[in-house]
Amino acid sequence: QQQVKQSPQSLIVQKGGISIINCAYENTAFDYFPWYQQFPGKGPALLIAIRPDVSEKKEGRFTISFNKSAKQFSLHIMDSQPGDSATYFCAASPPGRGNTPLVFGKGTRLSVIA
Amino acid sequence: GAVVSQHPSRVICKSGTSVKIECRSLDFQATTMFWYRQFPKQSLMLMATSNEGSKATYEQGVEKDKFLINHASLTLSTLTVTSAHPEDSSFYICSARTSGDSLEQFFGPGTRLTVL
Repeated sequence: QQQVKQSPQSLIVQKGGISIINCAYENTAFDYFPWYQQFPGKGPALLIAIRPDVSEKKEGRFTISFNKSAKQFSLHIMDSQPGDSATYFCAASPPGRGNTPLVFGKGTRLSVIA
Repeated sequence: GAVVSQHPSRVICKSGTSVKIECRSLDFQATTMFWYRQFPKQSLMLMATSNEGSKATYEQGVEKDKFLINHASLTLSTLTVTSAHPEDSSFYICSARTSGDSLEQFFGPGTRLTVL
């Protein structure tokens, strides 16, 4: 119930293409869904996040699509660039706010090739 | 976003020694900080939740006497790896939420621990 399942494990995309990473969850009490970007040797950086009352959120080339009924959400990276090559983690927040840790997916290694 | 720092960024130590890692929230107060461990090419593994002024809550399988956590102030939490062994070599990352009601969680840059 506390799991977040992320796919694919790895992804190779041509420069300029669209990268799509999917996540699914079971716990309907989750109420916040962030995506993190992590470069090798660095800590994860908050990329974009969405609440379940919104079906889509866009920030620059990054878009989260959220399907509450299917309990799925996805990250779309438009016009993918080699600099986007990183590991991406989806996460979900159980109720409990500040002292409740996020539940993370296992990550997707994205490689954008020229 | 809010800034979380860690020190040191990397440390190499001999087996049997203890290593302290500091995690600081630079521009906000954090009543709760989280400590993660990450192995190469793997996801983040939550080790413990650090609460200011009280004992940390450890995840199942994490030895509290091995990984000592102290959250003495609203801006500082420390993780001490006691009697470190080569299997403790890993990337340790802390994170914090900006307030009790905030949903956003920000991560530090991580500390690479290598035990020889």
